[in-house]
Amino acid sequence: AQSVTQLGSHVSVSEGALVLLRCNYSSSVPPYLFWYVQYPNQGLQLLLKYTSAATLVKGINGFEAEFKKSETSFHLTKPSAHMSDAAEYFCAVSEDTGFQKLVFGTGTRLLVSP
Amino acid sequence: DVKVTQSSRYLVKRTGEKVFLECVQDMDHENMFWYRQDPGLGLRLIYFSYDVKMKEKGDIPEGYSVSREKKERFSLILESASTNQTSMYLCASSLRGQGVETQYFGPGTRLLVL
Repeated sequence: AQSVTQLGSHVSVSEGALVLLRCNYSSSVPPYLFWYVQYPNQGLQLLLKYTSAATLVKGINGFEAEFKKSETSFHLTKPSAHMSDAAEYFCAVSEDTGFQKLVFGTGTRLLVSP
Repeated sequence: DVKVTQSSRYLVKRTGEKVFLECVQDMDHENMFWYRQDPGLGLRLIYFSYDVKMKEKGDIPEGYSVSREKKERFSLILESASTNQTSMYLCASSLRGQGVETQYFGPGTRLLVL
């Protein structure tokens, strides 16, 4: 069965520092992988998705993620954190292009200090 | 602009009440989903629907039912609300395409059962 592990329920960075949010997946078939962001009191918004076209995926707001099959990872990075990046981030995996079901990780809350 | 709306942002109900949560999407999407979000647990799939009048159980369907009488509307029903159903409920929709489609989320309904 597919699953996602997000290491670190909270990550704190200073404004301008590198952001690294970790995601490891388990899947019996080549997976599709997603990162979503949730700002306070809002629903989830897609940041980026991996669909096997390219291992380095660029998303919105300067975020990117690299698919590493050998490490079963899909870590999210941003070179320079901004205060507006403070939010909760969810990694998700799907094996299913029919029903489009997703399995989510437990989330990582990113805190950005001035 | 894509839009998923949920009938209430906040809801307070008593134990034993029947509760209806409504979700409407204006994107002509075939797939619709109901999740609950709890701290430390991420998002868990309750039910999903891939067509009008069609429904499938997700990972945690116990205590819930759903209804999809029209393509744009997907309702989540708590037949007899219990305190352990206090949670944030998120609705999402997606196309049933050939590839991997993005799920679009509503803003969520925060339900408190007393």
